[in-house]
Amino acid sequence: DGGITQSPKYLFRKEGQNVTLSCEQNLNHDAMYWYRQDPGQGLRLIYYSQIVNDFQKGDIAEGYSVSREKKESFPLTVTSAQKNPTAFYLCASRGWKAGGRDIQYFGAGTRLSVL
Amino acid sequence: AQTVTQSQPEMSVQEAETVTLSCTYDTSESNYYLFWYKQPPSRQMILVIRQEAYKQQNATENRFSVNFQKAAKSFSLKISDSQLGDTAMYFCAFMITYNNNDMRFGAGTRLTVKP
Repeated sequence: DGGITQSPKYLFRKEGQNVTLSCEQNLNHDAMYWYRQDPGQGLRLIYYSQIVNDFQKGDIAEGYSVSREKKESFPLTVTSAQKNPTAFYLCASRGWKAGGRDIQYFGAGTRLSVL
Repeated sequence: AQTVTQSQPEMSVQEAETVTLSCTYDTSESNYYLFWYKQPPSRQMILVIRQEAYKQQNATENRFSVNFQKAAKSFSLKISDSQLGDTAMYFCAFMITYNNNDMRFGAGTRLTVKP
């Protein structure tokens, strides 16, 4: 089945440590996104990529980095510069659904906590 | 800047009854899309329904329908014949037509369907 796979499901970060969240899609979508979800807030865009080897900052990019070396993969690194990393992270890709509808599809998310 | 407001943090409904979730948005744009996403306890975001602003007819998907009032900038979701599986967080989202990388989300409404 086509879809978006995020791993790990749960991740723990120690102080001063960088951690990387994986996002893989087999939908053949060009555009991919990373969102952060905090309690009581909607999703906020961290980074997005419209094509391989290109990515753009979203509203809350500080303390995060991404790469897009392959169409299928869009990993997110939470660096030690991100002082409040505890959140739920969602990866998405955008593509066309039958009927000509351009929509975003989401992975199941990664819960990041600080030890 | 575009903003999305969901004024009901939590709602509940009896199984088989009808419930309406509210959403308002603020924009100076005339061409845009509106969405309702569902996030069940599994945390997987699922698209429920999509509305194009240029269409006067309200979108429907089985038991889900919207009441789109463009002048009032209102986009409510009606769930008919509520089922236990409808228990979830529901997010309203907005996207300008010419910038499909910038999707704005509301803070969400937690819906509980009671047996």
